[in-house]
Amino acid sequence: NAGVTQTPKFRVLKTGQSMTLLCAQDMNHEYMYWYRQDPGMGLRLIHYSVGEGTTAKGEVPDGYNVSRLKKQNFLLGLESAAPSQTSVYFCASSYSGLGETQYFGPGTRLLVL
Amino acid sequence: GQQVMQIPQYQHVQEGEDFTTYCNSSTTLSNIQWYKQRPGGHPVFLIQLVKSGEVKKQKRLTFQFGEAKKNSSLHITATQTTDVGTYFCARMRSGTYKYIFGTGTRLKVLA
Repeated sequence: NAGVTQTPKFRVLKTGQSMTLLCAQDMNHEYMYWYRQDPGMGLRLIHYSVGEGTTAKGEVPDGYNVSRLKKQNFLLGLESAAPSQTSVYFCASSYSGLGETQYFGPGTRLLVL
Repeated sequence: GQQVMQIPQYQHVQEGEDFTTYCNSSTTLSNIQWYKQRPGGHPVFLIQLVKSGEVKKQKRLTFQFGEAKKNSSLHITATQTTDVGTYFCARMRSGTYKYIFGTGTRLKVLA
């Protein structure tokens, strides 16, 4: 099993450009999460999904959109990137949401100029 | 609110010394999870505590959940260079499936 994979590993964008980050998991997990990690801020939840076709806002959703068309994939979109979105983005999945272990992907490092 | 405060923010220890990080909440926690993130890596789940006063051990790591379920600690005995990384606690926001992570404690072990 590959676990949780993220594409791409690293990306540089110019302000105003758009991009999509892909997260895939092969563990048949229902729940998937997108976090961003900034120095000294820990991990902050952007959006999450409790199942195929469902999404919900996390703590810092502004400027991001998500989709979960297939159970194994969770996409994070930036429609118009801003320098404040420079961060490391982690995807995670869990079997359910109730106190279950979260398995994290390797992360995507995004730099917005 | 339902934030979790983690202290200290940084800790440098000599190899062989002990290390403790604390996670504090102003509200009662239903559970607490601990994760470790190596430099340049991703968070990896260590353990979950659920019961009041619970103590769990993993080799040199001891995890405790406070009697009032408002705080938790991670203690490492005789640190090794492999313990280097950032340790996070995480709680689930009441009534949601959202996890709130602490700001983490970055541990450096000097050989």
